Amino acid sequence: ILNVEQSPQSLHVQEGDSTNFTCSFPSSNFYALHWYRWETAKSPEALFVMTLNGDEKKKGRISATLNTKEGYSYLYIKGSQPEDSATYLCAFDPILTGGGNKLTFGTGTQLKVEL
Amino acid sequence: EAGVTQFPSHSVIEKGQTVTLRCDPISGHDNLYWYRRVMGKEIKFLLHFVKESKQDESGMPNNRFLAERTGGTYSTLKVQPAELEDSGVYFCASSQVQGAVDEQFFGPGTRLTVL
Repeated sequence: ILNVEQSPQSLHVQEGDSTNFTCSFPSSNFYALHWYRWETAKSPEALFVMTLNGDEKKKGRISATLNTKEGYSYLYIKGSQPEDSATYLCAFDPILTGGGNKLTFGTGTQLKVEL
Repeated sequence: EAGVTQFPSHSVIEKGQTVTLRCDPISGHDNLYWYRRVMGKEIKFLLHFVKESKQDESGMPNNRFLAERTGGTYSTLKVQPAELEDSGVYFCASSQVQGAVDEQFFGPGTRLTVL
Protein backbone atom coordinates (compact mmCIF):
# COMPACT_ATOMS: atom_id res chain seq x y z
CA ILE A 1 0.00 0.00 0.00
CA LEU A 2 1.46 3.34 -1.06
CA ASN A 3 1.49 6.06 1.57
CA VAL A 4 1.42 9.70 0.50
CA GLU A 5 1.27 12.20 3.33
CA GLN A 6 0.74 15.92 3.29
CA SER A 7 1.32 18.43 6.05
CA PRO A 8 -0.05 20.51 7.50
CA GLN A 9 -3.65 19.38 7.10
CA SER A 10 -4.84 22.99 7.12
CA LEU A 11 -3.29 26.42 7.26
CA HIS A 12 -4.61 29.94 7.89
CA VAL A 13 -2.36 32.79 6.77
CA GLN A 14 -2.71 36.51 6.29
CA GLU A 15 -2.66 38.14 2.88
CA GLY A 16 0.93 38.78 1.88
CA ASP A 17 2.39 35.94 3.96
CA SER A 18 4.55 33.34 2.29
CA THR A 19 3.81 29.74 3.07
CA ASN A 20 4.88 26.22 2.24
CA PHE A 21 3.51 22.71 2.49
CA THR A 22 5.08 19.27 2.41
CA CYS A 23 4.28 16.11 0.51
CA SER A 24 6.08 12.89 1.42
CA PHE A 25 5.93 9.79 -0.72
CA PRO A 26 7.69 6.45 -1.23
CA SER A 27 11.23 6.87 -2.56
CA SER A 28 11.09 3.60 -4.50
CA ASN A 29 9.38 3.06 -7.87
CA PHE A 30 9.15 6.81 -8.38
CA TYR A 31 7.97 8.03 -11.78
CA ALA A 32 6.50 11.49 -11.17
CA LEU A 33 4.94 13.72 -8.55
CA HIS A 34 1.93 15.86 -9.41
CA TRP A 35 0.66 18.95 -7.60
CA TYR A 36 -2.95 20.04 -7.99
CA ARG A 37 -4.93 23.00 -6.72
CA TRP A 38 -8.56 22.21 -5.91
CA GLU A 39 -11.47 24.45 -5.02
CA THR A 40 -14.60 22.60 -3.93
CA ALA A 41 -17.11 22.02 -6.74
CA LYS A 42 -14.46 22.81 -9.35
CA SER A 43 -12.02 20.63 -11.27
CA PRO A 44 -8.66 20.00 -9.60
CA GLU A 45 -6.24 22.13 -11.58
CA ALA A 46 -2.79 20.78 -12.38
CA LEU A 47 0.02 22.98 -11.11
CA PHE A 48 3.16 20.94 -11.71
CA VAL A 49 4.33 17.53 -12.87
CA MET A 50 7.78 16.84 -11.46
CA THR A 51 10.04 14.00 -12.46
CA LEU A 52 13.72 14.66 -11.76
CA ASN A 53 15.44 14.70 -8.40
CA GLY A 54 16.35 18.28 -7.57
CA ASP A 55 13.71 19.62 -9.95
CA GLU A 56 12.34 23.06 -9.18
CA LYS A 57 9.32 24.45 -11.02
CA LYS A 58 7.65 27.83 -10.85
CA LYS A 59 4.32 29.26 -11.95
CA GLY A 60 3.83 32.88 -10.94
CA ARG A 61 4.03 33.09 -7.14
CA ILE A 62 3.89 29.32 -6.71
CA SER A 63 6.93 27.08 -6.87
CA ALA A 64 7.75 23.48 -6.01
CA THR A 65 10.85 21.42 -5.34
CA LEU A 66 11.42 17.69 -5.51
CA ASN A 67 13.68 15.27 -3.64
CA THR A 68 13.12 11.75 -4.92
CA LYS A 69 15.92 10.17 -2.89
CA GLU A 70 14.36 11.09 0.43
CA GLY A 71 10.79 11.12 -0.88
CA TYR A 72 9.48 14.63 -0.38
CA SER A 73 8.31 17.68 -2.28
CA TYR A 74 7.67 21.21 -1.07
CA LEU A 75 5.14 23.65 -2.50
CA TYR A 76 5.78 27.34 -1.80
CA ILE A 77 3.42 30.26 -2.23
CA LYS A 78 5.00 33.69 -2.07
CA GLY A 79 2.85 36.66 -1.00
CA SER A 80 -0.38 34.71 -0.49
CA GLN A 81 -3.57 36.25 -1.85
CA PRO A 82 -7.19 35.41 -0.95
CA GLU A 83 -7.62 33.76 -4.35
CA ASP A 84 -4.93 31.25 -3.35
CA SER A 85 -7.38 29.77 -0.85
CA ALA A 86 -7.91 26.18 -1.93
CA THR A 87 -6.89 22.63 -1.14
CA TYR A 88 -3.46 21.71 -2.49
CA LEU A 89 -3.10 18.06 -3.42
CA CYS A 90 -0.03 16.06 -4.27
CA ALA A 91 -0.19 12.77 -6.12
CA PHE A 92 2.47 10.08 -6.47
CA ASP A 93 2.82 8.53 -9.90
CA PRO A 94 4.71 5.23 -9.67
CA ILE A 95 6.49 3.19 -12.29
CA LEU A 96 3.97 0.62 -13.38
CA THR A 97 4.37 -2.33 -15.63
CA GLY A 98 1.93 -2.27 -18.51
CA GLY A 99 1.53 1.49 -18.59
CA GLY A 100 -1.10 3.61 -16.93
CA ASN A 101 -0.70 6.48 -14.54
CA LYS A 102 -2.50 5.36 -11.40
CA LEU A 103 -2.13 8.35 -9.10
CA THR A 104 -2.03 7.97 -5.32
CA PHE A 105 -3.11 11.19 -3.63
CA GLY A 106 -2.38 12.67 -0.26
CA THR A 107 -5.27 14.05 1.80
CA GLY A 108 -4.33 17.60 0.86
CA THR A 109 -3.45 20.83 2.62
CA GLN A 110 -6.36 23.23 2.96
CA LEU A 111 -5.13 26.82 2.71
CA LYS A 112 -7.19 29.81 3.82
CA VAL A 113 -5.79 33.27 3.10
CA GLU A 114 -7.41 36.03 5.12
CA LEU A 115 -7.45 39.75 4.43
CA GLU B 1 -10.99 23.38 -26.01
CA ALA B 2 -13.61 21.90 -23.69
CA GLY B 3 -12.35 20.30 -20.52
CA VAL B 4 -13.49 17.08 -18.87
CA THR B 5 -17.18 17.25 -18.09
CA GLN B 6 -19.20 15.17 -15.67
CA PHE B 7 -22.91 14.69 -15.18
CA PRO B 8 -24.72 15.11 -12.90
CA SER B 9 -22.91 17.52 -10.62
CA HIS B 10 -24.90 16.26 -7.63
CA SER B 11 -27.01 13.19 -7.00
CA VAL B 12 -28.98 12.30 -3.89
CA ILE B 13 -30.43 8.81 -3.81
CA GLU B 14 -31.72 6.33 -1.29
CA LYS B 15 -29.88 3.23 -0.23
CA GLY B 16 -30.67 0.40 -2.62
CA GLN B 17 -31.30 2.62 -5.64
CA THR B 18 -29.20 2.77 -8.79
CA VAL B 19 -27.21 5.73 -10.01
CA THR B 20 -25.28 6.24 -13.24
CA LEU B 21 -22.55 8.84 -13.49
CA ARG B 22 -21.25 10.07 -16.81
CA CYS B 23 -17.87 11.43 -17.85
CA ASP B 24 -16.95 13.07 -21.15
CA PRO B 25 -13.16 13.26 -21.49
CA ILE B 26 -11.24 15.77 -23.53
CA SER B 27 -11.60 14.93 -27.20
CA GLY B 28 -8.75 12.75 -28.42
CA HIS B 29 -7.70 11.54 -24.97
CA ASP B 30 -7.44 7.77 -25.01
CA ASN B 31 -6.89 7.43 -21.27
CA LEU B 32 -9.81 7.85 -18.93
CA TYR B 33 -9.62 7.42 -15.16
CA TRP B 34 -12.21 7.28 -12.41
CA TYR B 35 -11.33 8.34 -8.87
CA ARG B 36 -13.38 8.77 -5.70
CA ARG B 37 -13.00 10.97 -2.63
CA VAL B 38 -14.87 9.90 0.45
CA MET B 39 -15.46 12.70 2.98
CA GLY B 40 -12.28 13.77 4.72
CA LYS B 41 -10.12 11.19 3.00
CA GLU B 42 -7.80 11.17 0.02
CA ILE B 43 -8.83 10.85 -3.61
CA LYS B 44 -8.53 7.17 -4.52
CA PHE B 45 -8.10 5.49 -7.87
CA LEU B 46 -10.97 3.32 -9.08
CA LEU B 47 -10.11 2.31 -12.63
CA HIS B 48 -8.41 3.19 -15.89
CA PHE B 49 -9.59 2.81 -19.48
CA VAL B 50 -7.45 2.94 -22.57
CA LYS B 51 -9.93 3.67 -25.29
CA GLU B 52 -12.73 1.20 -24.66
CA SER B 53 -10.62 -1.36 -22.78
CA LYS B 54 -10.29 -1.60 -19.01
CA GLN B 55 -6.58 -1.38 -18.33
CA ASP B 56 -6.73 -1.52 -14.56
CA GLU B 57 -9.79 -1.88 -12.35
CA SER B 58 -7.94 -2.76 -9.17
CA GLY B 59 -9.48 0.15 -7.26
CA MET B 60 -13.12 -0.79 -7.81
CA PRO B 61 -14.58 -1.43 -4.36
CA ASN B 62 -16.87 -4.35 -5.23
CA ASN B 63 -19.15 -5.77 -7.90
CA ARG B 64 -21.84 -3.18 -7.23
CA PHE B 65 -19.76 -0.82 -9.37
CA LEU B 66 -19.75 -1.18 -13.14
CA ALA B 67 -17.82 1.08 -15.49
CA GLU B 68 -18.14 1.16 -19.25
CA ARG B 69 -16.65 3.10 -22.10
CA THR B 70 -18.38 1.94 -25.22
CA GLY B 71 -16.77 3.29 -28.38
CA GLY B 72 -13.88 4.72 -26.45
CA THR B 73 -15.45 8.13 -25.95
CA TYR B 74 -17.54 8.91 -22.87
CA SER B 75 -17.67 6.64 -19.87
CA THR B 76 -20.36 5.72 -17.36
CA LEU B 77 -20.01 4.46 -13.82
CA LYS B 78 -23.05 2.68 -12.44
CA VAL B 79 -23.58 1.90 -8.78
CA GLN B 80 -26.23 -0.75 -8.18
CA PRO B 81 -27.50 -1.07 -5.51
CA ALA B 82 -26.05 1.98 -3.77
CA GLU B 83 -24.97 1.74 -0.14
CA LEU B 84 -24.37 4.49 2.42
CA GLU B 85 -20.58 4.11 2.17
CA ASP B 86 -20.70 4.92 -1.55
CA SER B 87 -21.28 8.58 -0.74
CA GLY B 88 -18.48 10.82 -1.91
CA VAL B 89 -17.20 12.82 -4.86
CA TYR B 90 -16.53 10.82 -8.01
CA PHE B 91 -13.92 12.36 -10.29
CA CYS B 92 -13.11 11.53 -13.84
CA ALA B 93 -9.79 12.43 -15.47
CA SER B 94 -8.37 12.02 -18.94
CA SER B 95 -4.94 12.12 -20.48
CA GLN B 96 -3.39 11.70 -23.86
CA VAL B 97 -0.24 9.66 -23.45
CA GLN B 98 -0.17 6.22 -21.88
CA GLY B 99 2.81 4.98 -19.91
CA ALA B 100 4.58 8.32 -19.89
CA VAL B 101 4.57 11.33 -17.63
CA ASP B 102 1.44 13.10 -18.67
CA GLU B 103 -0.92 15.52 -17.04
CA GLN B 104 -4.28 14.14 -16.05
CA PHE B 105 -7.07 16.65 -16.59
CA PHE B 106 -9.83 16.35 -14.03
CA GLY B 107 -13.51 17.03 -14.26
CA PRO B 108 -15.37 18.87 -11.48
CA GLY B 109 -16.70 15.64 -10.02
CA THR B 110 -20.12 14.25 -9.19
CA ARG B 111 -21.10 14.57 -5.55
CA LEU B 112 -23.07 11.45 -4.64
CA THR B 113 -25.08 11.28 -1.44
CA VAL B 114 -26.69 8.00 -0.46
CA LEU B 115 -29.33 8.33 2.26
